[in-house]
Amino acid sequence: ETGVTQTPRHLVMGMTNKKSLKCEQHLGHNAMYWYKQSAKKPLELMFVYNFKEQTENNSVPSRFSPECPNSSHLFLHLHTLQPEDSALYLCASSLQFRADTQYFGPGTRLTVL
Amino acid sequence: DQQVKQNSPSLSVQEGRISILNCDYTNSMFDYFLWYKKYPAEGPTFLISISSIKDKNEDGRFTVFLNKSAKHLSLHIVPSQPGDSAVYFCAASADTGNQFYFGTGTSLTVIP
Repeated sequence: ETGVTQTPRHLVMGMTNKKSLKCEQHLGHNAMYWYKQSAKKPLELMFVYNFKEQTENNSVPSRFSPECPNSSHLFLHLHTLQPEDSALYLCASSLQFRADTQYFGPGTRLTVL
Repeated sequence: DQQVKQNSPSLSVQEGRISILNCDYTNSMFDYFLWYKKYPAEGPTFLISISSIKDKNEDGRFTVFLNKSAKHLSLHIVPSQPGDSAVYFCAASADTGNQFYFGTGTSLTVIP
């Protein structure tokens, strides 16, 4: 399998649930990113990992917890979410950190009830 | 405040004609720009890029123009094809920065 994959593609969860989103890249890239896309809003960068180290956390609430066990895998752990967290969550990777073309996964459509 | 703006949420163009998608930015430090295309149920895919040392970059039917003084870039698609129907996002980054800033996207419909 090539490119950037994300699972699950769709997720419906209650506010008290705990779930995780998974991202995997097969491109040999060193940097990975989580973005949130809400309706009629630009893509919002959430987290950046470079060589497994978190380099950016854009004031994301603690109910979102990222994990990067290696350069190929990225997780987003979700806990006690709010309905306004419903959005498309996109994972991306790039060869180099900083201003390099990013390649996106298909996204996980999250609905919080 | 949004640093990258795409003021037209949608655009319809006849097949074979030119599609022009526009993007404005506010940060004069931005020096690298990209366009992404997104189909429904898929992630954005990279289309074309331009750095601030150029004012034009061409790749097949796609040409990106950069006007630094106006802080404006545009994507031209000639000739437009029905398969080009998608949402197009522009993104910008500064060499000293650590992220891309995205616009809200323009939905292009190419009418056969």
